[in-house]
Amino acid sequence: DIQMTQSPSSLSASVGDRVTITCRASQYINNYLNWYQQKPGKAPKLLIYAASSLQSGVPSRFSGSGSGTDFTLTISSLQPEDFATYYCQQSYSTPWTFGQGTKVEIK
Amino acid sequence: QVQLQESGPGLVKPSETLSLTCTVSGGSINSYYWSWIRQPPGKGLEWIGYIYYRGRTDYNPSLKSRVTISVDTSKSQFSLKLTSVSAADTAVYYCARLRSIAPGGPFIEYWGQGTLVTVSS
Repeated sequence: DIQMTQSPSSLSASVGDRVTITCRASQYINNYLNWYQQKPGKAPKLLIYAASSLQSGVPSRFSGSGSGTDFTLTISSLQPEDFATYYCQQSYSTPWTFGQGTKVEIK
Repeated sequence: QVQLQESGPGLVKPSETLSLTCTVSGGSINSYYWSWIRQPPGKGLEWIGYIYYRGRTDYNPSLKSRVTISVDTSKSQFSLKLTSVSAADTAVYYCARLRSIAPGGPFIEYWGQGTLVTVSS
């Protein structure tokens, strides 16, 4: 199985901050990397697919980059509604696997 | 707008079979892949498997011996069966629709709201 490792596991930030979350795959996954946002008690929501493509309706302050094994999710200016847990997921080979999550909390 | 709704028992006894159904509305079940994902309380996400509307499946090897995913296109539903459950199978179970746009791989475009299944006697 391909292991996905996110860092950090949690972070505290203020509204307006630039936030960066990294995701590393244990082997090459091309750009088959997706990012999801999950709020408590809710289903995850797709933010970014194919490493850098913004899902329709997602604010442009979210962006993704990377290819191969190293990927990044960036929130350019953190908003109150962005406090949530973020997961990366690889779909390069089954079993598809997720990172352990990064919880973004209010400082 | 595509909507997915999970249904099934919220409590299952150990060693019995967990059965869930996902009903798709607002769009066709045809021409898509459909998936089940689960999340134990307070933990991360685990992909269970997927099915194509024509019936082709792929399962997580960690669950493969116990999992069956099936589809009923006439009812716009797909289902999950997980046999010989234990407390470790207690989780929120999500059904989802997959999509793929080249040159990237598949992604989970739509999610159901999730249903908590507790395994306990």
